[in-house]
Amino acid sequence: DAGVTQSPTHLIKTRGQHVTLRCSPISGHKSVSWYQQVLGQGPQFIFQYYEKEERGRGNFPDRFSARQFPNYSSELNVNALLLGDSALYLCASSYYSSTDTQYFGPGTRLTVL
Amino acid sequence: SQQGEEDPQALSIQEGENATMNCSYKTSINNLQWYRQNSGRGLVHLILIRSNEREKHSGRLRVTLDTSKKSSSLLITASRAADTASYFCATETADSWGKLQFGAGTQVVVTP
Repeated sequence: DAGVTQSPTHLIKTRGQHVTLRCSPISGHKSVSWYQQVLGQGPQFIFQYYEKEERGRGNFPDRFSARQFPNYSSELNVNALLLGDSALYLCASSYYSSTDTQYFGPGTRLTVL
Repeated sequence: SQQGEEDPQALSIQEGENATMNCSYKTSINNLQWYRQNSGRGLVHLILIRSNEREKHSGRLRVTLDTSKKSSSLLITASRAADTASYFCATETADSWGKLQFGAGTQVVVTP
């Protein structure tokens, strides 16, 4: 079975631009979470979606938004990019949520110049 | 502030030796998970231990959980060069459904 997939693998943008990152969960998984990992730090929670509804939001500005589609795939959108948004963006899926193992994708490396 | 903090920040050992790293957290948890990350790539899930469990094993990995001390440890026995990676603990608390809170990680280097 395929694991969590993310696209694109790498992305270079300039300040002020907008970016969309995509995630496909493991087949059968209904929950998708997004994390941001800045170099040298642990991942920071951004969003969790379950059954197309936002179930949790981390301490990120409104420039960050996400959605989940009927097939449980998800998009993370970031507007008005800042240099500080440069990071590895990780997507994780689980069947349900609480007390479930979260399985991570390979991530999207975003560089903002 | 971070919920989980790993100790040590870095660990260097030789193949065949055991590696132990610790994780401390601040608030009551539903579960604690350990992950491995190679060179800034995706996280690989190692073990999930629930708040009512005290010890779990998976191959060469042993995880303990002491909820009274709000701490956990990960032991890797008979380490191999392929175990070189960063190891993170992540906690899920009762009031943060589905939200994992990670520490800064322990960087482990295993030399042949």
